[in-house]
Amino acid sequence: LAKTTQPISMDSYEGQEVNITCSHNNIATNDYITWYQQFPSQGPRFIIQGYKTKVTNEVASLFIPADRKSSTLSLPRVSLSDTAVYYCLVGNMNYGGSQGNLIFGKGTKLSVKP
Amino acid sequence: GAVVSQHPSWVICKSGTSVKIECRSLDFQATTMFWYRQFPKQSLMLMATSNEGSKATYEQGVEKDKFLINHASLTLSTLTVTSAHPEDSSFYICSARWDSNEKLFFGSGTQLSVL
Repeated sequence: LAKTTQPISMDSYEGQEVNITCSHNNIATNDYITWYQQFPSQGPRFIIQGYKTKVTNEVASLFIPADRKSSTLSLPRVSLSDTAVYYCLVGNMNYGGSQGNLIFGKGTKLSVKP
Repeated sequence: GAVVSQHPSWVICKSGTSVKIECRSLDFQATTMFWYRQFPKQSLMLMATSNEGSKATYEQGVEKDKFLINHASLTLSTLTVTSAHPEDSSFYICSARWDSNEKLFFGSGTQLSVL
């Protein structure tokens, strides 16, 4: 399994851009990088997924350098409602992959202040 | 799209009773479903993986006779906590995926409190 390391917590203010970096030094060739968001007493919600370079959707961007040993989730102009725990998962459930993308680490608790 | 419905949202039961939690994929066929549990201020812990029509695969340390999983159709999986005890009190979350998809779609979770 590709072990992931994220900061335990981050603080930000409304309107700022937040970047959360995840380290995954032993990522395998077929592994994808997936980020989820979880609010208290709710199930996680898929945010974004990527394999290499940059992926952008309506809520976030994901930057993946060429060596793929890390990735950065970028949340533009955060609001109070973005206060949540963010998890980075790495793996591949197909092709006999490691299934690391089923295993949740401690995540990053993002606190957005007014 | 890709909605997973989980019921009930919360349940309180007496020690020794059994509790069933349902997980349904509403708009896709879930070839694989997963069950997690989460204690307060902790991360999600994978309990088991279930494929439609097959026996569930349990993670190490999870008692299969205590946590019965049934995945009878491509849209429904159930988790039954048998003879529940206070230490089983936790937040249980299901998730689902279809083949070739690397994303997981989660239910809203079930808070179980055993008195």
